[in-house]
Amino acid sequence: GENVEQHPSTLSVQEGDSAVIKCTYSDSASNYFPWYKQELGKGPQLIIDIRSNVGEKKDQRIAVTLNKTAKHFSLHITETQPEDSAVYFCAASFSGNTPLVFGKGTRLSVIA
Amino acid sequence: ETGVTQTPRHLVMGMTNKKSLKCEQHLGHNAMYWYKQSAKKPLELMFVYNFKEQTENNSVPSRFSPECPNSSHLFLHLHTLQPEDSALYLCASSQGPVAGKNEQFFGPGTRLTVL
Repeated sequence: GENVEQHPSTLSVQEGDSAVIKCTYSDSASNYFPWYKQELGKGPQLIIDIRSNVGEKKDQRIAVTLNKTAKHFSLHITETQPEDSAVYFCAASFSGNTPLVFGKGTRLSVIA
Repeated sequence: ETGVTQTPRHLVMGMTNKKSLKCEQHLGHNAMYWYKQSAKKPLELMFVYNFKEQTENNSVPSRFSPECPNSSHLFLHLHTLQPEDSALYLCASSQGPVAGKNEQFFGPGTRLTVL
């Protein structure tokens, strides 16, 4: 089955700097890669996703890149703000047919 | 209400109690999920329902019993739990495999403490 590794487990950045979180997956059949943000006391919320037919996707200050050959994908947050502080989870699945497999999460702290 | 709602938000129970967690989705989705979230562990998928039928049970102990009476409601019945079952229980929904999409939307979770 699919296995997703996520690094780092914790990340501290200064406000305004960029943050990068990386994930690797094991099943080459996986073709859907979402990222979730979980704030304290809330459930995870989908912030961006990418499918295997594209290599990069951007939405304002966040972007995700995918390298299918190496089987890894990354979340990039630019111009970080204190409200970006949260736990971020990556996940992978074969879209529509298998449940998501999640990484262990990265706790991001943005220091003002 | 919109999205995915869960009740109660917090629950404290003894090991001999019986309680139920409730999840409701207002998104018109056909698939619903139960996850367990413990500290320093990945989200653990427990059960999956598609069109009210259970399609996945990830070796969950029988002290957890799911029920899906319709595509909008999902329950998790709890009995004879152990302290190690204390965790955040998250419900999620998606359009389901027929739609070819797997975007999942999560509820806020129920924080369960077993004494």
